[in-house]
Amino acid sequence: KQEVTQIPAALSVPEGENLVLNCSFTDSAIYNLQWFRQDPGKGLTSLLLIQSSQREQTSGRLNASLDKSSGRSTLYIAASQPGDSATYLCAVDNNAGNMLTFGGGTRLMVKP
Amino acid sequence: GAVVSQHPSRVICKSGTSVKIECRSLDFQATTMFWYRQFPKQSLMLMATSNEGSKATYEQGVEKDKFLINHASLTLSTLTVTSAHPEDSSFYICSARDAQGFYGYTFGSGTRLTVV
Repeated sequence: KQEVTQIPAALSVPEGENLVLNCSFTDSAIYNLQWFRQDPGKGLTSLLLIQSSQREQTSGRLNASLDKSSGRSTLYIAASQPGDSATYLCAVDNNAGNMLTFGGGTRLMVKP
Repeated sequence: GAVVSQHPSRVICKSGTSVKIECRSLDFQATTMFWYRQFPKQSLMLMATSNEGSKATYEQGVEKDKFLINHASLTLSTLTVTSAHPEDSSFYICSARDAQGFYGYTFGSGTRLTVV
């Protein structure tokens, strides 16, 4: 059974810092990995999707890497802003189209 | 990109009544949609997997007669909370995946259900 862990559970940083969120998974036979953002009382917004054959994906100030062999992914946020404050979720798709396994999330607060 | 529309965003209903929540994939076909429930400050909990043209698959502990799921087309799944009670008050979110997995999983904006 796939298990996904995110570290840290919460993070508070001053504006402008570069930061790294970590995600680890136990079963390396993944189809893809997705990073989401959830604002309070809202749905999930997909940030980055990394297919199993890819090593990283970038979108603006966000960069996500994937190392399947070690069961790890990181989300790098450059020059953090208060608007980045949210919960970030890592999710793994093991079996094309069946379901996602989520990590517990990292609650990020970026202080002005 | 893939878009999933979920309605309503908020609903308040009286105890004992039923509420229907709609989830539509706007620009792709979704043979499978998923329904989640989320309590405050907790993780998403998968309730059921909705399969187009067949019965939904419910997770252990989820009452299928309480949470009726219909997936009548490749772009629409509905969740009906029947005979709602205050303990059913929660945040419900749907998601869908395009067949090729090009966009991964796309989530709706969620429905805040309050049963009074």
